Amino acid sequence: DAGITQSPRHKVTETGTPVTLRCHQTENHRYMYWYRQDPGHGLRLIHYSYGVKDTDKGEVSDGYSVSRSKTEDFLLTLESATSSQTSVYFCAISEIRDRGTYEQYFGPGTRLTVT
Amino acid sequence: AQSVSQHNHHVILSEAASLELGCNYSYGGTVNLFWYVQYPGQHLQLLLKYFSGDPLVKGIKGFEAEFIKSKFSFNLRKPSVQWSDTAEYFCAVNVPYGSGNTGKLIFGQGTTLQVKP
Repeated sequence: DAGITQSPRHKVTETGTPVTLRCHQTENHRYMYWYRQDPGHGLRLIHYSYGVKDTDKGEVSDGYSVSRSKTEDFLLTLESATSSQTSVYFCAISEIRDRGTYEQYFGPGTRLTVT
Repeated sequence: AQSVSQHNHHVILSEAASLELGCNYSYGGTVNLFWYVQYPGQHLQLLLKYFSGDPLVKGIKGFEAEFIKSKFSFNLRKPSVQWSDTAEYFCAVNVPYGSGNTGKLIFGQGTTLQVKP
């Protein structure tokens, strides 16, 4: 499982409240990613990080921010949760293999419900 | 921009039937290709991958996929499915490391496979 944990695993929150999800990895991977999974959309990239304090937006970044102050932790914050952000959130890391190829591994996911 | 399309959204098969799930991508350069599987209530697991070389790749649990560059396709196959193969399957693509590429994956919409015992 590439040493990835996510917390919390389940959360129910109210519209308008801020929410922070945590991804923790133990193997010193440089690249980390946050995706959301929704029926009919597969997984879509929210934000990613390529090092401490180095982050960039993915395709569905509106309403989300991230921070990475340590190699092992990548935090995803919903600044003011909305019902459209009800989803399952997956964190992932990349391992760079031979000849510069990436291989991604995923955490167990966080199921977030915004009421 | 890269995109991935999975044509079968929901597939229902009986045990022992053969499986083929379609995946097409759009990108003109070199890509890495992946199939992930997600069993009910679980996270994504890497089923198989193609980086280069032999276009027929074998993965875990008897799955294989064939990369056909001229068709921009990477279809997943299994000769005989089992009830335990019931899951959601995702095709994904990324661009190899270098020139600012950061390994982010572009996913297809997913295919739900239901195998009836």
